[in-house]
Amino acid sequence: GQQLNQSPQSMFIQEGEDVSMNCTSSSIFNTWLWYKQDPGEGPVLLIALYKAGELTSNGRLTAQFGITRKDSFLNISASIPSDVGIYFCAGRQYGGSQGNLIFGKGTKLSVKP
Amino acid sequence: GAVVSQHPSRVICKSGTSVKIECRSLDFQATTMFWYRQFPKQSLMLMATSNEGSKATYEQGVEKDKFLINHASLTLSTLTVTSAHPEDSSFYICSAFKGGGRVTQYFGPGTRLTVL
Repeated sequence: GQQLNQSPQSMFIQEGEDVSMNCTSSSIFNTWLWYKQDPGEGPVLLIALYKAGELTSNGRLTAQFGITRKDSFLNISASIPSDVGIYFCAGRQYGGSQGNLIFGKGTKLSVKP
Repeated sequence: GAVVSQHPSRVICKSGTSVKIECRSLDFQATTMFWYRQFPKQSLMLMATSNEGSKATYEQGVEKDKFLINHASLTLSTLTVTSAHPEDSSFYICSAFKGGGRVTQYFGPGTRLTVL
């Protein structure tokens, strides 16, 4: 089946650092979505991207829809402790029936000990 | 953003009983809702797609007689886990598809099911 390769799988952050993660695929997507999930809760939508090359910000978060339509990245600037959690990318393909997202396996953000 | 609720948030039941989980889109109509299952430290696994007024579409390997889905209205879908067993214990999350100019999907807060 279709897969999204999300990296890194995990990373440790120190408060104030910038963070970057990305998702790639061998297939073209028409929508990229980025979610954050805290333990025991459902994913919360952070940013939605709909056009190749689109760059969208939400506070300290910035995400881009790759020109090739096969990738997307999410950046977090000046990280704070509440940024810890698991971030998922998700994509929807052209021609698919309405709905179903394909998910990356997540990037777990933790605080450096 | 749009709001999706789930009820209950946690449920503990005895083996052999059935459990119903409700998913509601609170401020938009959702012709399509999705049910996911999530195991610890893993991504979301799609179980089924629920379409208002028609039968649900189940993913391969998901037993439709065990996981009954009803999408009775444009704002409500229910998942019933029938004759639950300990291996059904998991985190179940629904999401609602919001169409229109820029389509997207919003997730509920999840339901933690524990079967004793």
